[in-house]
Order: sequence, then structure tokens, then C-alpha cells
Amino acid sequence: GAGVSQSPSNKVTEKGKDVELRCDPISGHTALYWYRQSLGQGLEFLIYFQGNSAPDKSGLPSDRFSAERTGGSVSTLTIQRTEQRDSAMYRCASIGGAGTEAFFGQGTRLTVV
Amino acid sequence: DQQVKQNSPSLSVQEGRISILNCDYTNSMFDYFLWYKKYPAEGPTFLISISSIKDKNEDGRFTVFLNKSAKHLSLHIVPSQPGDSAVYFCAASAWNYGQNFVFGPGTRLSVLP
Repeated sequence: GAGVSQSPSNKVTEKGKDVELRCDPISGHTALYWYRQSLGQGLEFLIYFQGNSAPDKSGLPSDRFSAERTGGSVSTLTIQRTEQRDSAMYRCASIGGAGTEAFFGQGTRLTVV
Repeated sequence: DQQVKQNSPSLSVQEGRISILNCDYTNSMFDYFLWYKKYPAEGPTFLISISSIKDKNEDGRFTVFLNKSAKHLSLHIVPSQPGDSAVYFCAASAWNYGQNFVFGPGTRLSVLP
């Protein structure tokens, strides 16, 4: 595809359930970031993947959050036992090679009811 | 005081006809709305959303109309199918002002074959 693709675009889930959010980065991009934009706030860094290196998980807000990146491409962000405060827009971005521009996906809007 | 109202607790429609579900809200700060449905013993399913910069959004058989001056939105399902029988919830948020979603009480839709 031409850009970063995220799915689903909208997700409503019940409190306590697990959710998986998917990010397809631009093909060949080695760096992938997950961010969260909470209600009326700026982007909050969650996790960073760079090539085959161990991911930087320093932004994950709790152990309910995890992410993996399979084959250096598609990434899945998993939130276990969702809470209402997890409601936010989750955005993925990828950066390729020596470039410094981050290409963002359209985001997944998560609503926990 | 209920900020999001769905004044019809139930609605019955013949298969193939149009279902119209209504939702009224009181807070003029609300700028993002969504509809979701719920089957008994299952989790919620996101249907469609609309931002306050639009007055209409369509996705397949589902169309949401927003009338900001009347603080009213409606969900149209055309044509209605028996599988649409569920409880439909309207939700509103002052998303850009840092407020979480407020949910209506739901309308039970029965589509009769």
C-alpha cells in the first residue's frame, strides 16, 4: 500500500475485554512507533520498534499493554482487560531508512464502554 | 440530568423497510458521536461515527444524520434485515475538550420477517 494502514478504524469494546489493534507500516520501513492520543491531549509515546533490535517499551502505561512486530513488518498492539481510561485514538507511525519523516496511519479510535 | 437521550426504548420494523433510530443530546460541546449495537450476551459492535463538522455519514446500509442546531442525530438502516435486531446505543463526546463518551440508554430494534 501507499501509506501506513491501521485497522480497525473504530473499535468499541466492553470494559474488561482484550483488544488487538493492527498497524501495517510502509513496506521497507524499519522503524515503527505506537502512540496514543487521549481525549483533548497530544500524542503520548507508547512503544518503538527498530529493525531486529529489542523494542523500546518505556512508554507503555501498564503491563496490560503489549506490542509485537512480526517479521519486521506488521505490528499488533494488545490491550488486556481494557478500562474506560484506555479510550483514545491509537496511532502508528513508520520511518524508513535514513529518512526522518514519520508517516502516520489514520489511527484506531478505541472506545471502552 | 441525562445528557444523551434515546426516547424510544423499543422499535419494530418490517424487514426491507427503513429503521430510524433517534438520539438527542443537551451538551453543545459534544463534537463526536457514534452508534454501536449489542446483541444479547455479546460484546458491542461499532456501527458508524460522525464528527460535528459533518451532517451526514454513510457506510453501506447505515447512515447517520447530525442536526447540530437541534442537538439531534439519527441512524437510518436501509433496508432493515432480521439480523439487525439488537439494542442500539448512541454515544457522544466533547472529544476535543478532553471529555469521555456519554452513552444513551439504548433502543431495542426488532426487525420482523
